[in-house]
Amino acid sequence: SQELEQSPQSLIVQEGKNLTINCTSSKTLYGLYWYKQKYGEGLIFLMMLQKGGEEKSHEKITAKLDEKKQQSSLHITASQPSHAGIYLCGAAPRGGGTSYGKLTFGQGTILTVHP
Amino acid sequence: NAGVTQTPKFQVLKTGQSMTLQCAQDMNHEYMSWYRQDPGMGLRLIHYSVGAGITDQGEVPNGYNVSRSTTEDFPLRLLSAAPSQTSVYFCASSFSNEQYFGPGTRLTVT
Repeated sequence: SQELEQSPQSLIVQEGKNLTINCTSSKTLYGLYWYKQKYGEGLIFLMMLQKGGEEKSHEKITAKLDEKKQQSSLHITASQPSHAGIYLCGAAPRGGGTSYGKLTFGQGTILTVHP
Repeated sequence: NAGVTQTPKFQVLKTGQSMTLQCAQDMNHEYMSWYRQDPGMGLRLIHYSVGAGITDQGEVPNGYNVSRSTTEDFPLRLLSAAPSQTSVYFCASSFSNEQYFGPGTRLTVT
């Protein structure tokens, strides 16, 4: 079965600093999802990457997929307290997409941003 | 659209009790899933469904039953609750490359 390892497990930064969260897969990535979760709430979809070398951005968050390294990174520029939460990566099964709703998730990275 | 809704939001059970966690979606998505989230372990797939009348097991199915009689609803049944089932449960519905999550049910088994 596929396993996803996120690093770091937790991160504390000062407001305005840049940061990167990594997600490494034990197997080939066919689709990689990034979600954000605030404590006690559901998961909010951030972005999805499918192709090697693909890079997507939303506001100050950029995600990249390195297919050869079986890894994805999430980069936040000029962090704000609103970025605080748990970031989770999820891998789609072979065949792409979440068409069967069978994502495998990493353990999550807890981000704290101090004002 | 309400999206994916889950009830109840919180529940406390005694060991051995049974209950059903409700999940509904109004997006006409074919695919629905149940996950549980435990500290330090991310989300793990319990059961999923690719359409009404079709369900299959995920990574951690033991102790749980599901059925899918309609496109909209996908309830999760705990047959005989155990303390190991204390967790936060998330329902999700999917279409193509998009998967949407409900707000979760926080379950404590004493």
